[in-house]
Amino acid sequence: DQQVKQNSPSLSVQEGRISILNCDYTNSMFDYFLWYKKYPAEGPTFLISISSIKDKNEDGRFTVFLNKSAKHLSLHIVPSQPGDSAVYFCAALFGNQFYFGTGTSLTVIP
Amino acid sequence: DTGVSQNPRHKITKRGQNVTFRCDPISEHNRLYWYRQTLGQGPEFLTYFQNEAQLEKSRLLSDRFSAERPKGSFSTLEIQRTEQGDSAMYLCASSLSGPLYEQYFGPGTRLTVT
Repeated sequence: DQQVKQNSPSLSVQEGRISILNCDYTNSMFDYFLWYKKYPAEGPTFLISISSIKDKNEDGRFTVFLNKSAKHLSLHIVPSQPGDSAVYFCAALFGNQFYFGTGTSLTVIP
Repeated sequence: DTGVSQNPRHKITKRGQNVTFRCDPISEHNRLYWYRQTLGQGPEFLTYFQNEAQLEKSRLLSDRFSAERPKGSFSTLEIQRTEQGDSAMYLCASSLSGPLYEQYFGPGTRLTVT
């Protein structure tokens, strides 16, 4: 039962353009959402988070948007850089458990 | 303290053998999590410790799996009578308590059961 879904397994973007990664969830009780970035042979690295009481959080080139009515969140990266090429996971928190999506592999083309 | 460390990084074992993995969290972190990740999937929650207390276990965690965190420091995850389906990356993460839920992940232990 996949409660957090990332329906795009991969995404390619030109350097300097915007990358938009999407995530959908089914459990309306999730109260905290996070994005992680993962390079090969490393564990995931925290990127940015958002509480369910907000609809937007920004940190430098990274912005996360939350649409609770649609149960949808997205990560915007502007401008995209080649070093952003990685697998991105969204995650949602309910109680003490984190539920992760299946990941989207982002390739930023120089 | 350079982050969360996990040992070994790779483990190959034969079906039916027992294996044990170790996780050393960031020293001031009192929360510790174990996850399993298979190819093409995101990390799947296994269990969670607050200090030395194991507060939550996934219903997917079979009784062949056991985890400990003595004295609230390092943690071990043991798998008894391994099966080929246990082949996966086992990730450990730690965090502080409180409203900031940023988890710091280790590099993982890749288990291959032959």
